[in-house]
Amino acid sequence: KAGVTQTPRYLIKTRGQQVTLSCSPISGHRSVSWYQQTPGQGLQFLFEYFSETQRNKGNFPGRFSGRQFSNSRSEMNVSTLELGDSALYLCASSQGRTFHGYTFGSGTRLTVV
Amino acid sequence: EDQVTQSPEALRLQEGESSSLNCSYTVSGLRGLFWYRQDPGKGPEFLFTLYSAGEEKEKERLKATLTKKESFLHITAPKPEDSATYLCAVQGNTDKLIFGTGTRLQVFP
Repeated sequence: KAGVTQTPRYLIKTRGQQVTLSCSPISGHRSVSWYQQTPGQGLQFLFEYFSETQRNKGNFPGRFSGRQFSNSRSEMNVSTLELGDSALYLCASSQGRTFHGYTFGSGTRLTVV
Repeated sequence: EDQVTQSPEALRLQEGESSSLNCSYTVSGLRGLFWYRQDPGKGPEFLFTLYSAGEEKEKERLKATLTKKESFLHITAPKPEDSATYLCAVQGNTDKLIFGTGTRLQVFP
């Protein structure tokens, strides 16, 4: 069965621009979470969506936003990019309110120059 | 605030040399403690979920254990292919998955 698919894999943007990242969860999974991974901070929780509703949110500024569509696919958007936004952005999906583990995608590597 | 601390930050082992990785945590209402393995350039790969103190789970050369304050990932007779970063995460009443910064394991032949 197909895993979690994130597109694009790599992205280079300029400061001040905005970016949209996409995540397609495993078929049947209704929960999608987003994480930012940097060498210094590790994995930081951004937000979680379940059935098109944001269920949880991390401590990131409002420049970071997301949404989920009726087919469970999710997008996250970062506006007014800063150099510090350079990171690996990971998406994870699960069936729902499950504690059996989340399946991660391979991530989108965003570089802001 | 939920928090996870992993130690050591990095570990170098000879092939066959067993060792343990530590994950100390504080969480409100533990719902699950997770171990993941992450290879360079890839997303974390799920290994185990532990739900309550005293629980143990095994998979090949890996064994995870859980107490009320910490979890250990024991690696028995590791091989070079076990080299990776091992991540620990907890999920509590907030439902957020909170990760530690990981232990980078290198196993040399």
